[in-house]
Amino acid sequence: KAGVTQTPRYLIKTRGQQVTLSCSPISGHRSVSWYQQTPGQGLQFLFEYFSETQRNKGNFPGRFSGRQFSNSRSEMNVSTLELGDSALYLCASSDLAGSSYEQYFGPGTRLTVT
Amino acid sequence: AQSVTQPDIHITVSEGASLELRCNYSYGATPYLFWYVQSPGQGLQLLLKYFSGDTLVQGIKGFEAEFKRSQSSFNLRKPSVHWSDAAEYFCAVGAHGSSNTGKLIFGQGTTLQVKP
Repeated sequence: KAGVTQTPRYLIKTRGQQVTLSCSPISGHRSVSWYQQTPGQGLQFLFEYFSETQRNKGNFPGRFSGRQFSNSRSEMNVSTLELGDSALYLCASSDLAGSSYEQYFGPGTRLTVT
Repeated sequence: AQSVTQPDIHITVSEGASLELRCNYSYGATPYLFWYVQSPGQGLQLLLKYFSGDTLVQGIKGFEAEFKRSQSSFNLRKPSVHWSDAAEYFCAVGAHGSSNTGKLIFGQGTTLQVKP
């Protein structure tokens, strides 16, 4: 099976702009979780989607949003970008048949905000 | 609240030497426990997991980890380190319950350097 894919891999945006990142999960996986990774804060959970519904959300401002499509692909959007949003954004997919939280990660999207 | 502590930010070992990376967690029950590895500029690769049962679990690349409930620990070990093991290692906890669905809590990571 193909792994989790994320596009684009690298992105440079200007403060105040918005950005959309895409994640395609492993075939058959219906849960997609998003994480932000920064040197200062480490890996932090953003949100999780399952069957097109957001089931859980981390402690991030409303500028961070996401959605999931019927084919389980997911997008996350960040509006009004701030310098502090520069990070590696990782998505992970899971087959929740066993509710195991075993997650498989994509390579990430490196977002730089200038 | 759940939390994960990796006490060692950076560890250096010689190639061929044994390795132990420490992980302590805080959680009211037995959580799901994971070790992931991240090479520079890459995503996270799952090394091994513990859900229940045998407290010594085997993973990929020759890694193993032991769950010790009394110490709230889940330390990662490898008997002989290879230069290709140099990377950052993350311990993670998955808690139970609907409010924790899809969420892993990560430690701050341990960077492993391997000396030739």
